[in-house]
Amino acid sequence: GNSVTQMEGPVTLSEEAFLTINCTYTATGYPSLFWYVQYPGEGLQLLLKATKADDKGSNKGFEATYRKETTSFHLEKGSVQVSDSAVYFCALSASGGGADGLTFGKGTHLIIQP
Amino acid sequence: DVKVTQSSRYLVKRTGEKVFLECVQDMDHENMFWYRQDPGLGLRLIYFSYDVKMKEKGDIPEGYSVSREKKERFSLILESASTNQTSMYLCASSLFSGRANNEQFFGPGTRLTVL
Repeated sequence: GNSVTQMEGPVTLSEEAFLTINCTYTATGYPSLFWYVQYPGEGLQLLLKATKADDKGSNKGFEATYRKETTSFHLEKGSVQVSDSAVYFCALSASGGGADGLTFGKGTHLIIQP
Repeated sequence: DVKVTQSSRYLVKRTGEKVFLECVQDMDHENMFWYRQDPGLGLRLIYFSYDVKMKEKGDIPEGYSVSREKKERFSLILESASTNQTSMYLCASSLFSGRANNEQFFGPGTRLTVL
């Protein structure tokens, strides 16, 4: 079956540090890949997505590249801010129309210290 | 603005009670989903629906049922609540387009405690 593995947290960084959160996946076919973010007390919001190999998703300074050869979709940001503190989820959709739900990783809690 | 709303942010129920969690979306989406979120386990799919009166089991449907009588509303039902159903419940919706790249839009979640 499909699965997503992401690094365990919490990850604690200082403001302006470089961020990498690793994500690898197992899926049949050609899945779409997503990063969602959950701020304290809120639901999940889509951060970025990529739908085919070598696609790069980007938003709010975050980037991730769909690497089919390594089955990875690592999240990066060049300079984090305190406001980036949140839980980040990597996810995949392997079905047409998204009708089977998303498969999520367990989430990575990111803490940015001033 | 896109909106998925859930009937309660916090809910406390007793073991054995019947519990209804309601979700409404205003985007005319075909697909709706219920997940539960637990620390260290991430999000797990309970049930989903791709059309009115249609439902499909997700990864952990035991102890739950769902109802979709109208396109915009998707209800999760705990027939007899148990303490191991204490969790955060998240509803989501997405548009059907025949492709796998559809974003899911999430509600704010309902934190259910079963005593």
